[in-house]
Amino acid sequence: GQNIDQPTEMTATEGAIVQINCTYQTSGFNGLFWYQQHAGEAPTFLSYNVLDGLEEKGRFSSFLSRSKGYSYLLLKELQMKDSASYLCAVRAYNTNAGKSTFGDGTTLTVKP
Amino acid sequence: DAGVIQSPRHEVTEMGQEVTLRCKPISGHDYLFWYRQTMMRGLELLIYFNNNVPIDDSGMPEDRFSAKMPNASFSTLKIQPSEPRDSAVYFCASSGRNYGYTFGSGTRLTVV
Repeated sequence: GQNIDQPTEMTATEGAIVQINCTYQTSGFNGLFWYQQHAGEAPTFLSYNVLDGLEEKGRFSSFLSRSKGYSYLLLKELQMKDSASYLCAVRAYNTNAGKSTFGDGTTLTVKP
Repeated sequence: DAGVIQSPRHEVTEMGQEVTLRCKPISGHDYLFWYRQTMMRGLELLIYFNNNVPIDDSGMPEDRFSAKMPNASFSTLKIQPSEPRDSAVYFCASSGRNYGYTFGSGTRLTVV
């Protein structure tokens, strides 16, 4: 099976930088995803990492270390609209190759 | 592309009634997923299909739940009979080869 851990809640200030961590345990890792979900809305895809290293996309970056079973999502120049839940999801390399398992999400509150 | 289309957006029904949720995935996506989300349990995978074939239905709570995918452009999730504990937001998602999910807007189900 898969086990995914994320902090439940985080608070940060507008304009600051915040790092949301995700640790996972899985047999046959085959990719990690980050999704953003605003209250009352559906999750939306943010990033995908399958190799070690940092993937940058505008204000958002995602990092992966497969040997440590660790990823983080880095949000720079925080804006009020970044207040949302951030979900880490892991895909395993097995017969259920299309399926991702989601963590419980980290609720980020951005304050003025 | 219109994205993943779900209907209805909201459903209020009485306990014991049949409920049918509908989903149209993105054209060309070969995976379709049904998730349920509640505050207590987060995102739970109910069932998923690959090329219209059910692959993993281990998350379906019980026999009251059933799902079908008669063709590549349509899927249904049916609950019969419905119970108050089924109240949740039900998301449909589809994915293609990059395995990132695109979620529909969800159906908010309330069973009274």
